[in-house]
Amino acid sequence: GAVVSQHPSRVICKSGTSVKIECRSLDFQATTMFWYRQFPKQSLMLMATSNEGSKATYEQGVEKDKFLINHASLTLSTLTVTSAHPEDSSFYICSAPPGGAGFEQFFGPGTRLTVL
Amino acid sequence: RKEVEQDPGPFNVPEGATVAFNCTYSNSASQSFFWYRQDCRKEPKLLMSVYSSGNEDGRFTAQLNRASQYISLLIRDSKLSDSATYLCVVSRRALTFGSGTRLQVQP
Repeated sequence: GAVVSQHPSRVICKSGTSVKIECRSLDFQATTMFWYRQFPKQSLMLMATSNEGSKATYEQGVEKDKFLINHASLTLSTLTVTSAHPEDSSFYICSAPPGGAGFEQFFGPGTRLTVL
Repeated sequence: RKEVEQDPGPFNVPEGATVAFNCTYSNSASQSFFWYRQDCRKEPKLLMSVYSSGNEDGRFTAQLNRASQYISLLIRDSKLSDSATYLCVVSRRALTFGSGTRLQVQP
């Protein structure tokens, strides 16, 4: 099946620093990728839709200036958590739909962010 | 009201049991439907797509009732390796996840 990679898998940082997470589709091109966040014992919540060649669209309540998304190419989207705080500690997962938006999606392995 | 509702469980069943999970969704414009499986601290993995005609994959059977906006998953002959959280997912563009139903299969 389609493969999506994510890097890093785990990051621990100090409060106030910025963290960049990369999401790559390895064997297909993705004009759209999605970023989700999952807090412990909760379901995945969509944060934003990353669009190649245009601005990302953010879900209600997600600060676009705090969570910067750049869809640099058809195989790479990055999420930068700026000025991270302990409440940003979470499991961040990206996904991409090989068949286009609305179809099944393949997920990256996730990035566990811990902000001290 | 959540867009996708699931019984959180946990469902504790013995090996070999048959277990059924149910899910309801609120947006009638939803186009695609899936069951995903998520193991602890891992990313979700697609278990199967769900169609109105029903579909079966080995021990797993999924069913969609669009009129009732209801999705089900049946697992027969449960294995220890089936222990996981099962996520009901609907899609218009991005995926909307239910909160998951935790299954623990016991020896």
